Amino acid sequence: DTEVTQTPKHLVMGMTNKKSLKCEQHMGHRAMYWYKQKAKKPPELMFVYSYEKLSINESVPSRFSPECPNSSLLNLHLHALQPEDSALYLCASSHTGTGGTEAFFGQGTRLTVV
Amino acid sequence: KNQVEQSPQSLIILEGKNCTLQCNYTVSPFSNLRWYKQDTGRGPVSLTIMTFSENTKSNGRYTATLDADTKQSSLHITASQLSDSASYICVVDSNYQLIWGAGTKLIIKP
Repeated sequence: DTEVTQTPKHLVMGMTNKKSLKCEQHMGHRAMYWYKQKAKKPPELMFVYSYEKLSINESVPSRFSPECPNSSLLNLHLHALQPEDSALYLCASSHTGTGGTEAFFGQGTRLTVV
Repeated sequence: KNQVEQSPQSLIILEGKNCTLQCNYTVSPFSNLRWYKQDTGRGPVSLTIMTFSENTKSNGRYTATLDADTKQSSLHITASQLSDSASYICVVDSNYQLIWGAGTKLIIKP
């Protein structure tokens, strides 16, 4: 199994809603990532978890809250988002958080904030 | 400043033709260079990953080259197919940090 599975595939939410994005991998990877990608732009790193601990937070607003319940799961909790937060949210995983390890990406969640 | 630049921005070719995409980087330190294929609205899929000592790496019809002296890489696609239509992104791994290029949008026409 070399897949990173993200759910849901699409999400429309209002600015007062609370929702969560989910990511799952069963490759034994110990590093997991959240990226945000706007149209026609490369992915921007948001968070990195290494061995279930948050190791990198790229100055992301607190309305985005990551959670890593175990080594296979990664969540992104969303609250009070703005329309400009609409984007493709990508989850990725790799063996470790160190350089040189291949990263596998999920298919993404297309988020629209209305 | 660490940068990855790709050219061309976009490219249209006929099905069955070959093409080459370019990537120039000014990144230090350098761990490896990766090429990803990304279909619109989907996650990137890895094509190749090359370390400093590797000059060429193939993955089916995709062949990547790396010249670490000139800090240039290319991705050559042979006998293009309609399914090759996608964005191709060059990424340089710099000690745990991935530096992404803006990508080349490739369109294959029948």
